Amino acid sequence: QKEVEQNSGPLSVPEGAIASLNCTYSDRGSQSFFWYRQYSGKSPELIMFIYSNGDKEDGRFTAQLNKASQYVSLLIRDSQPSDSATYLCAVKGRGSTLGRLYFGRGTQLTVWP
Amino acid sequence: EAGVAQSPRYKIIEKRQSVAFWCNPISGHATLYWYQQILGQGPKLLIQFQNNGVVDDSQLPKDRFSAERLKGVDSTLKIQPAKLEDSAVYLCASSSRLAGVFRAAGELFFGEGSRLTVL
Repeated sequence: QKEVEQNSGPLSVPEGAIASLNCTYSDRGSQSFFWYRQYSGKSPELIMFIYSNGDKEDGRFTAQLNKASQYVSLLIRDSQPSDSATYLCAVKGRGSTLGRLYFGRGTQLTVWP
Repeated sequence: EAGVAQSPRYKIIEKRQSVAFWCNPISGHATLYWYQQILGQGPKLLIQFQNNGVVDDSQLPKDRFSAERLKGVDSTLKIQPAKLEDSAVYLCASSSRLAGVFRAAGELFFGEGSRLTVL
């Protein structure tokens, strides 16, 4: 069973601050990592994916991957109240579970004005 | 482009009753997934279809859950008989890339979900 752990939260930051969301995973050979955003009562939507060590930036979002530490994070710069949502970390399975995404429990982020 | 359609959006049943959920994926998407999301948890894969064949159903409680994808398009997920612990949101998702061919083949497009309450 693949494990994906996220910091429990909830995380509360003021508008304009940097929100940092963290995720660790148990399968050292995992190659593909995803961050989904889920607004309350809505379905998850993909916001970032990363599969190389280092940083990947897209607008205000930066995904960071450290395979040696089995750690992936999401930074949200200049946080806005509209960023308030639950952020799900997901890891793609390998071998017989290829195609399956393993999700963490999610971290609830609140950005207050 | 139309998104993933699911129905019903909400369903309340008593334990031991049966329920069925329907999903219509994005046109042309060969891969279809059913996920279960219990309140406060991340989604858990129940079953994955590639066209009309089952790729992975290892986490599907087969004594009570069944799913089919006839003709490789729409899919139905059935629960019979339902238990209290089946209360959850059932999410259908689809993707267009073959699993394993592209490393970034993980972009799932989710439907709005079907919220089940078992009393």
